[in-house]
Amino acid sequence: DVKVTQSSRYLVKRTGEKVFLECVQDMDHENMFWYRQDPGLGLRLIYFSYDVKMKEKGDIPEGYSVSREKKERFSLILESASTNQTSMYLCASSLLGLRDSPLHFGNGTRLTVT
Amino acid sequence: TQLLEQSPQFLSIQEGENLTVYCNSSSVFSSLQWYRQEPGEGPVLLVTVVTGGEVKKLKRLTFQFGDARKDSSLHITAAQPGDTGLYLCAGARINTGTASKLTFGTGTRLQVTL
Repeated sequence: DVKVTQSSRYLVKRTGEKVFLECVQDMDHENMFWYRQDPGLGLRLIYFSYDVKMKEKGDIPEGYSVSREKKERFSLILESASTNQTSMYLCASSLLGLRDSPLHFGNGTRLTVT
Repeated sequence: TQLLEQSPQFLSIQEGENLTVYCNSSSVFSSLQWYRQEPGEGPVLLVTVVTGGEVKKLKRLTFQFGDARKDSSLHITAAQPGDTGLYLCAGARINTGTASKLTFGTGTRLQVTL
């Protein structure tokens, strides 16, 4: 089974802090994604990557950046955390060519910014 | 941003009842996936539909993709407590470039009680 591991289940950070969310997958998937999940809004794509050192903006990239130095690892960075970034963050991976390739999600990181 | 609206947003029913969840958009998708998310976990793929008018069955769950590939429905027959969870539809956008991206619906939270 594909395993996507997010390093933290819960994080509490202060406004203005730099925050790193880490994600590792073990199935050699090309694509990796970061979503945030908020009630009533579903999942919204922040950034995705289809190869090492490649990244593309999703629908809500403002305030975030990403890093993919190795194929199995995709990091989400909040340069200066703000309270409106309090949310559940989900990492996912998939094989290249999405149509019949499902997203495999981690269990999420619930971030609270105070 | 293309939106996928799901209805109802919340559904609380008793074991044995039938229910239908709807996923609607004004945009056309090349395929559509349904996920279920349980508390504390990431979403898990249930099914992918790719052809307009397609119907797929997964035990007591029946999924249909609209003829115009703009909408989908999920019907559950004789719901059981194990069906409890958040149901998410996700459409694969057409002409997405290097890596396909999914647009997620707003979610339907289902609770099935004894």
